[in-house]
Parts: sequence; structure tokens; C-alpha cells
Amino acid sequence: AQTVTQSQPEMSVQEAETVTLSCTYDTSESDYYLFWYKQPPSRQMILVIRQEAYKQQNATENRFSVNFQKAAKSFSLKISDSQLGDAAMYFCAYRFPNNAGNMLTFGGGTRLMVKP
Amino acid sequence: KAGVTQTPRYLIKTRGQQVTLSCSPISGHRSVSWYQQTPGQGLQFLFEYFSETQRNKGNFPGRFSGRQFSNSRSEMNVSTLELGDSALYLCASTPYGTGISPLHFGNGTRLTVT
Repeated sequence: AQTVTQSQPEMSVQEAETVTLSCTYDTSESDYYLFWYKQPPSRQMILVIRQEAYKQQNATENRFSVNFQKAAKSFSLKISDSQLGDAAMYFCAYRFPNNAGNMLTFGGGTRLMVKP
Repeated sequence: KAGVTQTPRYLIKTRGQQVTLSCSPISGHRSVSWYQQTPGQGLQFLFEYFSETQRNKGNFPGRFSGRQFSNSRSEMNVSTLELGDSALYLCASTPYGTGISPLHFGNGTRLTVT
């Protein structure tokens, strides 16, 4: 079974600084999708960034980028120029690419605090 | 375009009762998934429906069931509620059966069982 591990339950960062959240996963598949979701106190899960495993290039979305290391099964999220609005729970998630459906396996989450 | 809508937002039930939660996906989305979120177990997959058919089911007892209607709206039902069923229940939709298209989540229904 696939597992996703986020080893940092809590992280803090100074506003305008850079922070990296860690995620490792375990799978025997060669093709899959990885996601980072953000969950603010409003409870709604919001997509931050996504990565297709067959693409070697790391995904970027504005201030958010990933460091995808397929051999190491690592998928870390870097947030640059942190803003107060970035404070939230962040979840790493794994999904099969095939017709098995859209089921996501989530990590335990990292609570990010941003200090003004 | 309206997002994923879940009703009700909060629910308080007594142990032994049953409950039905509702989810309206984004227009045009055919896949609806349900997740349970608790402090102890984190986010766990309940089940997924695609074009009115259950495609996947997580490791939950038979008390948890769901269905999807022809307009893609979905309901999940929990019978014989237990204290441990207290959780945030999240619904998510996506247009297709598979692929990189991300899941879009609703705001969830907070269920408290007393």
C-alpha cells in the first residue's frame, strides 16, 4: 500500500523568508501524481501545486515550488517570500494515474506558522 | 463557477442515530470523493463515485455508505453513529475518471456525535 509521510508536524517561518516542507512516500509504481494541498482555518483544502512523476522538471507556481526526487521518493515544497496568508496546514498527497480512480493518500500534515 | 458545496456545515447527532451528508460538485464534474478528517487518523479516503457508480472504497465499516445521483450530486450516510465518527467530512470533485486534474474540495461538514 502507498504511504505518505510528513516528518515535520509544525514549522515556523519569518514573514518574507523561505521555508521548505518535507514529504516522502512509498510506492512500487513508476507513474503517479503528487500534490500539495493547503488547509487554512476555513477548512477548505486548496491545491497549491502538482507534479507528474514522469516529468523530471520540478513544478513551480509563483512563490511555490517543489523539489521532486523520484529515486529518493521525496517531494518537498518550498515557499518563498512567505506571507501571513500562507499560515495553514499543508498536506502532501499521492495519487495513482491509472483507471483505479481519483483516490488520494494523504500525509499527516505540517502546520505552518508565519511570524510577522 | 460555483465551488463544491457541502451541507450542512455543522451537525450534532446522538450515538446510535443515523446521518446523511450532502455534496454538490462543481458543474460538469463527474467524480465525487469523500474523506474523513480526524486529529488522530488524519485524512482518510471513504469512497469515490464516478457516473453514479462506486469506483473505490476505503477501509471503513459497512455503516458508511454513499450514492451519487444522475446530476452528480452525492450523499453519504452513516448509520448507528458511534462517538468515533465525530470528524470533519470532506467532499471533493474532479471532472474526469483519472488524470492530473486535481480534486476540488468543499468546506466540509463537521459532525459531532454525543
